[in-house]
Amino acid sequence: DVKVTQSSRYLVKRTGEKVFLECVQDMDHENMFWYRQDPGLGLRLIYFSYDVKMKEKGDIPEGYSVSREKKERFSLILESASTNQTSMYLCASSLHRGSSYEQYFGPGTRLTVT
Amino acid sequence: GQNIDQPTEMTATEGAIVQINCTYQTSGFNGLFWYQQHAGEAPTFLSYNVLDGLEEKGRFSSFLSRSKGYSYLLLKELQMKDSASYLCAANTGGGNKLTFGTGTQLKVEL
Repeated sequence: DVKVTQSSRYLVKRTGEKVFLECVQDMDHENMFWYRQDPGLGLRLIYFSYDVKMKEKGDIPEGYSVSREKKERFSLILESASTNQTSMYLCASSLHRGSSYEQYFGPGTRLTVT
Repeated sequence: GQNIDQPTEMTATEGAIVQINCTYQTSGFNGLFWYQQHAGEAPTFLSYNVLDGLEEKGRFSSFLSRSKGYSYLLLKELQMKDSASYLCAANTGGGNKLTFGTGTQLKVEL
């Protein structure tokens, strides 16, 4: 079974703090993704990565950065957290860059910025 | 731009059949995914259509018409555990990148 884990289920941070969200997958998947999920807006892609040390911007990258130093780990960084970044953050991975491969999701991190 | 539309909410009766529609207008299209997401949980994969037609998988079937930019998910013999949000997602090119609709919240009642 593919397992995607995220470092925290719930996180509360203050405005201006630097926030790290960690994601680890255990199935040697090449691709990893970070989404945020908000009511009425659905899942929106923030960043993704097809390989180690490689990253590409998704649809809403502003205010975020990512790091992929090892194949199994993909980190999302909020350089200076703001209240509009309060959201559910979901990490996903897929086997290969090919279009037919399903994405496997982690349980999510509910981040609240106060 | 990318635009994916699906109804916000639907209600159906246990044992019945329900069809959840999804229309898409995207620049680039490789195929259409359906995911199920129970409240507070991660989305899980249901189906993937790349060619026109119906794909059946147990109680769930998914249909795609590329010429019409249209897909639907058909759930038969509804059970209470099918109450969940159903997410339509288009593979819009660039490898495995997906664009999601806002999801359809299905409520199954007795």
